[in-house]
Amino acid sequence: SQTIHQWPATLVQPVGSPLSLECTVEGTSNPNLYWYRQAAGRGLQLLFYSVGIGQISSEVPQNLSASRPQDRQFILSSKKLLLSDSGFYLCAWASTSGRGEQFFGPGTRLTVL
Amino acid sequence: DAKTTQPPSMDCAEGRAANLPCNHSTISGNEYVYWYRQIHSQGPQYIIHGLKNNETNEMASLIITEDRKSSTLILPHATLRDTAVYYCIVRVAYNTDKLIFGTGTRLQVFP
Repeated sequence: SQTIHQWPATLVQPVGSPLSLECTVEGTSNPNLYWYRQAAGRGLQLLFYSVGIGQISSEVPQNLSASRPQDRQFILSSKKLLLSDSGFYLCAWASTSGRGEQFFGPGTRLTVL
Repeated sequence: DAKTTQPPSMDCAEGRAANLPCNHSTISGNEYVYWYRQIHSQGPQYIIHGLKNNETNEMASLIITEDRKSSTLILPHATLRDTAVYYCIVRVAYNTDKLIFGTGTRLQVFP
């Protein structure tokens, strides 16, 4: 069966510090991968998605970036965090041969102070 | 992808059926109805999806009207653990593009 991991689970970082969140998927090959963010009390917003190694599409302009160094690894980064980067970050995967379902990880709750 | 309309909140007594409505009057012929839920502080969880026939799985049933302009997610015997925000999404099947989440329905199951 497939599983998706995210770490860390929670993170408190000062403004201006760098960020690296990691997501890995097990039990599937060549998945589509997604990073979403959910601000407090708000809906989910897609940040990035990837259909393959090194292929990243950005949905909204921001000071975040994403990379996919391996087939089942997706990394979200920032060089300098802003207060507005606080939120719940969710990684998700979908099979390219599936029925359109996306499967979400447990999330990382980021607080920027 | 078509837009959906859901009530912002609903209550349900534990053990009773929870019926969550969704309107999608502009749904296209090749678009499916998907349901997800998000329990507090967790990632969204896929529940069920369908095109035009009613669907049932171990989690829920999905009833889609004949004109496909609305649907109802049914949790047959709601438990306290079903308290969550439920999202109705319409999109083309096999589409691996982003999911567009609306505001959903906050279901509160009470003892």
